[in-house]
Amino acid sequence: AQKVTQAQTEISVVEKEDVTLDCVYETRDTTYYLFWYKQPPSGELVFLIRRNSFDEQNEISGRYSWNFQKSTSSFNFTITASQVVDSAVYFCALSEANGGFKTIFGAGTRLFVKA
Amino acid sequence: GAVVSQHPSRVICKSGTSVKIECRSLDFQATTMFWYRQFPKQSLMLMATSNEGSKATYEQGVEKDKFLINHASLTLSTLTVTSAHPEDSSFYICSARAPTGGHQQFFGPGTRLTVL
Repeated sequence: AQKVTQAQTEISVVEKEDVTLDCVYETRDTTYYLFWYKQPPSGELVFLIRRNSFDEQNEISGRYSWNFQKSTSSFNFTITASQVVDSAVYFCALSEANGGFKTIFGAGTRLFVKA
Repeated sequence: GAVVSQHPSRVICKSGTSVKIECRSLDFQATTMFWYRQFPKQSLMLMATSNEGSKATYEQGVEKDKFLINHASLTLSTLTVTSAHPEDSSFYICSARAPTGGHQQFFGPGTRLTVL
């Protein structure tokens, strides 16, 4: 069965600090996708990144970077030089081929960035 | 990019009434759509998978007679909350799977349901 664990419920940082959001997943499938989404107070999910199980390359997009480690089943997300606008709930999610690619979400991490 | 809309964005209804929420893929055809429910300060919980032209597949613990799903076309899925009760008050989000590679889902903006 697929499972996503985001152990950090809430994180509070001061602006310009770097912050890493942890995500650990469980799957028996060899073909799967991992995602990160941002949910601001408006509620609408904002897609950040998708990674398939065959691509372990890390990725950087501006202040955002992702570290995918299959050996530890982790897909961590780092925000560099955080800004107040980064305050939101961040969800890590997993989609398995054998599960019909339905997406299962982690519990989410609420990030507060203080000015 | 692919766009998914939901209507209405907010709805308030009286206990015992039924409420229909629409999910539309605006610029692509989606054979599969998903419905999620999110209670305050909680994660998104998958309720059901909606397949065009066939019955929806419900997750364990979700009452199919209470949450009726109809995926009548390749661009429209509807969720009807029947005989709504205050405990059904939640944020309902749909997503549509893109037909292109990557199996990415595109999410609607959500519908906030309040049952009085």
